[in-house]
Amino acid sequence: EIVLTQSPGTLSLSPGERATLSCRASQSVRSRYLAWYQQKPGQAPRLLVFRASNRATGIPDRFSGSGSGTDFTLSISRLEPEDFAVYYCQQYGSSPYTFGQGTTLEIK
Amino acid sequence: QVQLQVSGPGLVNPSETLSLTCSFSGTSISKYYWNWIRQPPGKGLEWLAYIYYTGSTDYNPSLKSRVTISVDTSKNQFSLKLRSVTAADTAVYYCGASWYDGEMSAFTFWSRGTMVSVSS
Repeated sequence: EIVLTQSPGTLSLSPGERATLSCRASQSVRSRYLAWYQQKPGQAPRLLVFRASNRATGIPDRFSGSGSGTDFTLSISRLEPEDFAVYYCQQYGSSPYTFGQGTTLEIK
Repeated sequence: QVQLQVSGPGLVNPSETLSLTCSFSGTSISKYYWNWIRQPPGKGLEWLAYIYYTGSTDYNPSLKSRVTISVDTSKNQFSLKLRSVTAADTAVYYCGASWYDGEMSAFTFWSRGTMVSVSS
């Protein structure tokens, strides 16, 4: 099983700042099959990025993903108030399809 | 746009079977893998299982001996049965759709979550 470790656990930033979230895998993620999701309280997760760097339909271009192998990053270029939420990475390259423990992005 | 909705009891007795059904619309059943995911209160996400309309399945080994996923192609529904539940199975349960192209893909569409509590 691939274990995904996200850092930091909590990130405190202000609107307009840039956010950088990390996801490290315990072994290489096949074919960059790594996704990022955003979850707000009481809501289902929303797909932001798939295959490490492809934005999902309707996702603003301030969200960008990068990385390969075991190290992946989600960047948010200019934080909007609606971006403060919990972010999860997930690998779907090998079963079981695992999630990271999440990074909480909070308003400073 | 694919829409998914979970139905089932919100309370299950310990040692009994948790049964949930996901109804979907807006797509052909053959275009997606159909998944179950759960999230214990205040915790992260756990993928449980998927099924393809052909009956092909995969399960998370952490639950494999207790879980069964099935599909009803005539009703555009798929179901989860989790046997011998304990308090550790208390969670918000989601169903989700991931695009089928021969390999697993990211979970594009999600249902609203349904809270299932295991308690007597």
